Amino acid sequence: QVQLVQSGSELKKPGASVQVSCKASGYTFSNYAINWVRQAPGQGLEWMGWINTNTGNPTYAQGFTGRFVFSLDTSVSTAYLQISSLKAEDTAVYYCARGQERVYGDLWFDPWGQGTLVTVSS
Amino acid sequence: QSVLTQPPSASGTPGQRVTFSCSGSSSNIGSKTVNWYQQLPGTAPKLLIYSNNQRPSGVPDRFSGSKSGTSASLAISGLQSEDEADYYCAAWDDRLKGYVFGTGTKVTVL
Repeated sequence: QVQLVQSGSELKKPGASVQVSCKASGYTFSNYAINWVRQAPGQGLEWMGWINTNTGNPTYAQGFTGRFVFSLDTSVSTAYLQISSLKAEDTAVYYCARGQERVYGDLWFDPWGQGTLVTVSS
Repeated sequence: QSVLTQPPSASGTPGQRVTFSCSGSSSNIGSKTVNWYQQLPGTAPKLLIYSNNQRPSGVPDRFSGSKSGTSASLAISGLQSEDEADYYCAAWDDRLKGYVFGTGTKVTVL
């Protein structure tokens, strides 16, 4: 079945870096974009951007430029989110989600990974 | 700050019909399709409705979506205890050039 499996929880100190992985299975990886979504504790969902799994070209949403990097390893159908110079406010659950778009603007996410909790604390 | 506004909560008794809204603008709901996601406690979001009113395979027909102008609605008929969750609307926003989520509605089954 189509699924995205993410790496496990991380506990990091401020200033460190973290990498979250998202392994796809059950479909042709390069046919669908991977999106990243953040959910801070007790808060709603926030779209971080997406990566074109065909070209590797990332697009970052406002507020997620500079310290956030999306990348791929197509040989193992895996997408990565790297966050550098971690701050306490980066503490959140990070989700990857497969994007499906019928025509421009008719876009939805299905399925989602199970989420990765990143905790930033000294 | 989310550009899609939802009521923070909605509730009903088992078997009732519950409806709640998602208000946007011409740059998102007014010109693009709306999706709904269900997030059960402690789990990842799950696609519930896509393209305004389409249900993915496996989603019960108790869930239905609609859109009119710059607003959308999600209806749950025959409310069940397992429907207790957070529900988020979402759409592409042409002005922001990004995907935006609603503020979320917490559904409680009384």
